[in-house]
Amino acid sequence: AQSVTQLGSHVSVSEGALVLLRCNYSSSVPPYLFWYVQYPNQGLQLLLKYTSAATLVKGINGFEAEFKKSETSFHLTKPSAHMSDAAEYFCAVDAGNMLTFGGGTRLMVKP
Amino acid sequence: DTAVSQTPKYLVTQMGNDKSIKCEQNLGHDTMYWYKQDSKKFLKIMFSYNNKELIINETVPNRFSPKSPDKAHLNLHINSLELGDSAVYFCASSQEMGAYEQYFGPGTRLTVT
Repeated sequence: AQSVTQLGSHVSVSEGALVLLRCNYSSSVPPYLFWYVQYPNQGLQLLLKYTSAATLVKGINGFEAEFKKSETSFHLTKPSAHMSDAAEYFCAVDAGNMLTFGGGTRLMVKP
Repeated sequence: DTAVSQTPKYLVTQMGNDKSIKCEQNLGHDTMYWYKQDSKKFLKIMFSYNNKELIINETVPNRFSPKSPDKAHLNLHINSLELGDSAVYFCASSQEMGAYEQYFGPGTRLTVT
């Protein structure tokens, strides 16, 4: 069985500050890991994915995530937050042709 | 051109009714999905179709029945709607199953009164 835990259902940062969204997973097989973003009233959009190549994965809009097997983590970071980054972020794991999502983290960006 | 489209965008109906949500993708993908997102934003897969065949059917009540007339379409029919069915339903598609990006539709907000 696989599962995903996102620590912090809400994260608030100031514009220009570091963004750190946490994701831990459990999987009985080597996983594929994803981060998706959902803007208000829209569907999900892929930010980045890890598929067992480089452990540091770069995505769109300046986001990146690092796969740490020893910590079973795949945290999402961005050096400098923009107002446009305010959205819901979902971490997901695929370890058997089925995507399992975490509970989501709402990112709020203060001016 | 919209990659994954759903109709309708909003659906308000009464308990006991039957309704359908339509989904179409123009990406040439082999795999399509239905997800349910509840009021707390929790996303859960309901169905997955690969080349018009059902692959995954999570613990979904049999009041929900997916229909795939061709690879580009995956419709969701819901019988005898209940209050707990109120949610946002997302259709998605991917090139194949596995570590492929899933492209999501804009969602259908279903409200059962």
